[in-house]
Amino acid sequence: AQTVTQSQPEMSVQEAETVTLSCTYDTSESDYYLFWYKQPPSRQMILVIRQEAYKQQNATENRFSVNFQKAAKSFSLKISDSQLGDAAMYFCAYRSAGGYNTDKLIFGTGTRLQVFP
Amino acid sequence: ETGVTQTPRHLVMGMTNKKSLKCEQHLGHNAMYWYKQSAKKPLELMFVYSLEERVENNSVPSRFSPECPNSSHLFLHLHTLQPEDSALYLCASSRASGGYEQYFGPGTRLTVT
Repeated sequence: AQTVTQSQPEMSVQEAETVTLSCTYDTSESDYYLFWYKQPPSRQMILVIRQEAYKQQNATENRFSVNFQKAAKSFSLKISDSQLGDAAMYFCAYRSAGGYNTDKLIFGTGTRLQVFP
Repeated sequence: ETGVTQTPRHLVMGMTNKKSLKCEQHLGHNAMYWYKQSAKKPLELMFVYSLEERVENNSVPSRFSPECPNSSHLFLHLHTLQPEDSALYLCASSRASGGYEQYFGPGTRLTVT
């Protein structure tokens, strides 16, 4: 079974600085998708960024980028030029690309990011 | 965010009550999900409906009963809950299969007294 591990329960960063949130996963599958979701204090979970495992190029979305290391099964999120609005819980998630469980997202336990002015 | 709505946002119920949570999506998706979010635990997938058919039931106790009357609506019927069922219940939707991302509702904060 697949698992997702986020080893940093809490992180903090100064406004305008860069922070990296780590995520590792375990799977025997070769094709899958990885996601980072953000859950602000208002609770609605929103997608930050998505990565297809078959793509070598790291996904980027404005100030958010990932470092996808398939062999190491690592999927870290880098937030550049941090803003106060980036403060939230960040969840890493895994989704199979084939077979029975393609609708199932497997989440890590989350990292709470604080942003200081 | 109004793509996925959930009602009520807060619910307090006794252990002998029966209540229902409602989720509605306006995104044209054909898969819907119920998750339970408890403090310091990963989100737990409870139920998946894909093309209105239940395809996943992660050994959830029978006191939780889902219903998906059409691709836009999802319900979670609750009865004789336990205090440990207190949590945030999140609904999500997506296009079925493939790597499509899930869109989440704001959640219902459930407290069982």
